Amino acid sequence: AQSVTQLDSQVPVFEEAPVELRCNYSSSVSVYLFWYVQYPNQGLQLLLKYLSGSTLVKGINGFEAEFNKSQTSFHLRKPSVHISDTAEYFCAVSEGDAGNKLTFGGGTRVLVKP
Amino acid sequence: SAVISQKPSRDICQRGTSLTIQCQVDSQVTMMFWYRQQPGQSLTLIATANQGSEATYESGFVIDKFPISRPNLTFSTLTVSNMSPEDSSIYLCSAEEVSYGYTFGSGTRLTVV
Repeated sequence: AQSVTQLDSQVPVFEEAPVELRCNYSSSVSVYLFWYVQYPNQGLQLLLKYLSGSTLVKGINGFEAEFNKSQTSFHLRKPSVHISDTAEYFCAVSEGDAGNKLTFGGGTRVLVKP
Repeated sequence: SAVISQKPSRDICQRGTSLTIQCQVDSQVTMMFWYRQQPGQSLTLIATANQGSEATYESGFVIDKFPISRPNLTFSTLTVSNMSPEDSSIYLCSAEEVSYGYTFGSGTRLTVV
């Protein structure tokens, strides 16, 4: 069965500094990988996804992530954060074939300080 | 990507009552999913809803407590039955689009008093 581990539950970071959110997964088959953001009192918004092809994936709001199959990781990065990036970030995995459920990591709360 | 309209956005309910949450998708989708997000926690899948068949429930969730309907390819409902304060959570529906991934509704914030 698939599982997702987000190694940091909270990441404080100063405005304009870089941030990296770590995500590791376990699965016995090929996977699709996703990062979602949840702003306070809102639903989930897709930041980016890896389905196939290039392992470096660029998403919205300046975020990018790299799929590393050998390390089973899909870390999310942003070179310079803004106050508005304060939110909860979720890594999620589905096991490839259409119709498979998403499994979520525990989430990482990013707090951007001025 | 598809757009999902979920309602109600929030509700406060008395214990022992039931609430039905609706999700309408603006395009036809094969798979829909229902998640629960307890306060300060991640998302946990409740069940997968296919049109024309019984929903498939995850471990720890049962049909009597969380009945689901999926009458067509654009609509689904989740009922939270015989509610207790422990059911206070955010409930989210999701739809899978093969070439896009998964889209989520804006969630229903349920408080049981």
